[in-house]
Amino acid sequence: DTGVSQDPRHKITKRGQNVTFRCDPISEHNRLYWYRQTLGQGPEFLTYFQNEAQLEKSRLLSDRFSAERPKGSFSTLEIQRTEQGDSAMYLCASSFTTSPKGNIQYFGAGTRLSVL
Amino acid sequence: GEDVEQSLFLSVREGDSSVINCTYTDSSSTYLYWYKQEPGAGLQLLTYIFSNMDMKQDQRLTVLLNKKDKHLSLRIADTQTGDSAIYFCAESIRDTGTASKLTFGTGTRLQVTL
Repeated sequence: DTGVSQDPRHKITKRGQNVTFRCDPISEHNRLYWYRQTLGQGPEFLTYFQNEAQLEKSRLLSDRFSAERPKGSFSTLEIQRTEQGDSAMYLCASSFTTSPKGNIQYFGAGTRLSVL
Repeated sequence: GEDVEQSLFLSVREGDSSVINCTYTDSSSTYLYWYKQEPGAGLQLLTYIFSNMDMKQDQRLTVLLNKKDKHLSLRIADTQTGDSAIYFCAESIRDTGTASKLTFGTGTRLQVTL
């Protein structure tokens, strides 16, 4: 078990460019979550998948954001036409729904996005 | 609604106990969690407690839950410099049979001095 892996760790882009992040969950975890964390704040929920189905999306997820989990394993989060307000840490987490310990979510190290 | 509040900063001396407090407002919370975040890193799960429990102890960590006051605390015994980090409490709510998203507090920065 190598934990949740995110790539890249850091991304610097110019306003208006598109960016894509990748998350590899803990193997056999069927749920995958995306959160956004801005400076000095706690993470805020964006969306989650159970297997390949996207079950919930936050109002924070504007139409410039899209997330996929095509085969129920890794996931990608794409931001189109980035804005300076998109600068944040994007965190991915995964969990196993049938765990007797409830919805224990394990987080990756995050991708820090800076939009210039 | 869902609103988790924490104090922003706590400073303790090495070897003392630290107590980090959290209040939440959603009475339907089922699990409450404590995560630790070091600079530039992701979140590390420290411990969790189910809402029908009052206390949970795990080595140097003790979690106390007061459901009546919707108050959660994390006590770290014998605090070490390596405990310096931001601590987040989080709640999840069981709805339609499965718990989903976590709602986090703003985090408490713990500073451990020598």
